[in-house]
Amino acid sequence: DTGVSQNPRHKITKRGQNVTFRCDPISEHNRLYWYRQTLGQGPEFLTYFQNEAQLEKSRLLSDRFSAERPKGSFSTLEIQRTEQGDSAMYLCASSLGQGASNTEAFFGQGTRLTVV
Amino acid sequence: AQSVTQLDSHVSVSEGTPVLLRCNYSSSYSPSLFWYVQHPNKGLQLLLKYTSAATLVKGINGFEAEFKKSETSFHLTKPSAHMSDAAEYFCVVSYSSGNTPLVFGKGTRLSVIA
Repeated sequence: DTGVSQNPRHKITKRGQNVTFRCDPISEHNRLYWYRQTLGQGPEFLTYFQNEAQLEKSRLLSDRFSAERPKGSFSTLEIQRTEQGDSAMYLCASSLGQGASNTEAFFGQGTRLTVV
Repeated sequence: AQSVTQLDSHVSVSEGTPVLLRCNYSSSYSPSLFWYVQHPNKGLQLLLKYTSAATLVKGINGFEAEFKKSETSFHLTKPSAHMSDAAEYFCVVSYSSGNTPLVFGKGTRLSVIA
């Protein structure tokens, strides 16, 4: 399967714990995006990378959220000191982009986080 | 600010009748526009895209959308609804400048009645 892969698919954690999610994009895609989706809402943009550079991170929900893409391939999203309000589906997507042009984004199946 | 508005949160149609899901975007010099579909417990799937070529765009499963710059609209249509079309549909805009690469609408839930 050469689509976008996210792991784990489901994560249940206790409040206050740290969690880390992984995203493997389509191999030739240089752009990678993280979104959050809560029930009944559209995906909410969090951050994105072009290769290993994080081009936009001001939309990360708080300083407890951080993302990395160290080698320009896979990415991780970490949430520290989780809160119940962090419970959501976390989506990763990738695309091929150059300057202002951008192909469509392909989405992974998401990681569903439940904070208890 | 960059934005996209889906005018209906829920649309209900009878099987075999036309579908119209409405989308308006904030004006920009060169937006790219997309429609994605999300079936329950499934990932987001691209239906179709507009990237400054033909203004009438055909997608998968018989869907199409027309880009109307004068109306800043990109409505999604299908001549005849099928039960399997029941899902959540998202209009998405990508701007050539700005900090948010893909902006999603809030979604329209399509119900198809037998």
